[in-house]
Amino acid sequence: GNSVTQMEGPVTLSEEAFLTINCTYTATGYPSLFWYVQYPGEGLQLLLKATKADDKGSNKGFEATYRKETTSFHLEKGSVQVSDSAVYFCALSRNTGGFKTIFGAGTRLFVKA
Amino acid sequence: EPEVTQTPSHQVTQMGQEVILRCVPISNHLYFYWYRQILGQKVEFLVSFYNNEISEKSEIFDDQFSVERPDGSNFTLKIRSTKLEDSAMYFCASSEIVRRGTGSTGYFGPGTRLTVT
Repeated sequence: GNSVTQMEGPVTLSEEAFLTINCTYTATGYPSLFWYVQYPGEGLQLLLKATKADDKGSNKGFEATYRKETTSFHLEKGSVQVSDSAVYFCALSRNTGGFKTIFGAGTRLFVKA
Repeated sequence: EPEVTQTPSHQVTQMGQEVILRCVPISNHLYFYWYRQILGQKVEFLVSFYNNEISEKSEIFDDQFSVERPDGSNFTLKIRSTKLEDSAMYFCASSEIVRRGTGSTGYFGPGTRLTVT
């Protein structure tokens, strides 16, 4: 079946450090891949997405590249800020007419000033 | 930018009571979904709804749950007899029709926090 595995948290970084959150997936066909962010007490916000192999999604300094050969979609940011502290969810959806989304377990990021 | 809205933002109910969570999807979307997130855990798919019927549901979505689109704008999730373990954040989402091979984005609402006491 389809699934998403992401690195366990929490991840604690100092401001301006480099961030990587690993995500791998298992899926039939060619899913779209997403990163969502959830700030404390809030809902899910789409951070970035990629719809086919080698696509790079980017937003707010975050990037992730759809790697079909390694079935990965790792999230990176060159210099994190305190305001990036949140839970990050890797997710996939199958392009089968609808948009059922399968989420990873989430990775909590703490950024210290 | 269009958005999915959900009401109420927080619902407290006693065990055994019925609750209805409401969602207003984006107006030109045709697929609707409910997801659940138990505190501190992953977001789990509950059900998808298309053309006035359930298109897919998860194991979580048992006979205690039902969904309805009572009019042209609302999409509801009903839990008939709530249990303590139903306490969670419930997210509604909507999307347009996806053509095979293309990407799509589901738009999530802000969630309703359900607390069962």
